[in-house]
Amino acid sequence: AQKVTQAQTEISVVEKEDVTLDCVYETRDTTYYLFWYKQPPSGELVFLIRRNSFDEQNEISGRYSWNFQKSTSSFNFTITASQVVDSAVYFCALSEARNTDKLIFGTGTRLQVFP
Amino acid sequence: EAGVAQSPRYKIIEKRQSVAFWCNPISGHATLYWYQQILGQGPKLLIQFQNNGVVDDSQLPKDRFSAERLKGVDSTLKIQPAKLEDSAVYLCASSLGQGGSPLHFGNGTRLTVT
Repeated sequence: AQKVTQAQTEISVVEKEDVTLDCVYETRDTTYYLFWYKQPPSGELVFLIRRNSFDEQNEISGRYSWNFQKSTSSFNFTITASQVVDSAVYFCALSEARNTDKLIFGTGTRLQVFP
Repeated sequence: EAGVAQSPRYKIIEKRQSVAFWCNPISGHATLYWYQQILGQGPKLLIQFQNNGVVDDSQLPKDRFSAERLKGVDSTLKIQPAKLEDSAVYLCASSLGQGGSPLHFGNGTRLTVT
């Protein structure tokens, strides 16, 4: 069965600190996709990144970076030099690639960045 | 490109009453989803449509929840009768439905059942 685990319920940091959000997944499929979404206080889920199971290259986008390791079934998300605007709940999610985009979400990590 | 539209934004009802939510997906997106997000939890899929057909409704409490997507565009989700435990945010999302496409979410409807 598919499962996504985000063990960190809440993280608090001070502005400019680096922070890493952990995500561990379970699937029996060899082809799958992993996602990160941001949910700010307004409530809308905002798509951040998608990785497929065949591409283990790390990705960097500005202050955001993602580390995908199939050997440990992890897809961790790092924010460098955090800012107050990064405060939100972050969700990791998994989908099978076969004919569906359906997502299985983790329970989320609430990040609070203090000035 | 216009995003996923949902209404109403908030709804408060008493238990045993009925309620309906509306969703208009992104134009051209074949697949539409309704997710339930209880406070402090991740979204949970209720139902998935491909065009106007149901693909997955295995987690929809069919004794009280119903959904339809007439003409393969807009969708409505109904709860009748509502229970206290239905208090949650109901999120609508759409995607291209090509396998691995990102889901695009609306702002959600926050339902409070008293």
